[in-house]
Amino acid sequence: DTGVSQDPRHKITKRGQNVTFRCDPISEHNRLYWYRQTLGQGPEFLTYFQNEAQLEKSRLLSDRFSAERPKGSFSTLEIQRTEQGDSAMYLCASSLGAGQETQYFGPGTRLLVL
Amino acid sequence: RKEVEQDPGPFNVPEGATVAFNCTYSNSASQSFFWYRQDCRKEPKLLMSVYSSGNEDGRFTAQLNRASQYISLLIRDSKLSDSATYLCAARGYNKLIFGAGTRLAVHP
Repeated sequence: DTGVSQDPRHKITKRGQNVTFRCDPISEHNRLYWYRQTLGQGPEFLTYFQNEAQLEKSRLLSDRFSAERPKGSFSTLEIQRTEQGDSAMYLCASSLGAGQETQYFGPGTRLLVL
Repeated sequence: RKEVEQDPGPFNVPEGATVAFNCTYSNSASQSFFWYRQDCRKEPKLLMSVYSSGNEDGRFTAQLNRASQYISLLIRDSKLSDSATYLCAARGYNKLIFGAGTRLAVHP
């Protein structure tokens, strides 16, 4: 399977714990995006990378959230001191860049904070 | 007002029906538009990109009206397997702005 992959697919944690999610984009895709989706809503943009550079962050991305893409390939999204309001599906997408902007989504990581 | 708004759902239609979804966007700088399909508890999957001239893919037709800032998706001859949530997205600069989605339920 050469699509976007995410790990883990599901995560249950207690309030106050830290969690980290991983995304592996489609090979050779330069751009990688993180979105969050809650029930009954469309995905909301969090942040995006062009290669290893984080070029934009949404104001939804509080200081408890940090994302990295150290070698321009996979990315991690960490949430520190989780809150119940962080419960959502975290979606990763990638695109080729350079004018080819169609974004392809991974299966998501479903987070439940108790 | 949300940047991308869609028809509220759900749409309940019989097999074989034609159904149309509408979507409006507020940012005139939006550069390109997409329809995604999302099944329950799954990721959005690209259904169609939307071009100025309109485009068709089998039973699906998408239209863009830049003057009215309006996008539509028409599904002809609905199948049970078309039941899903349809998300409209506008690309502004580098991110996608999604509507809340419209749920379609096709029944026998």
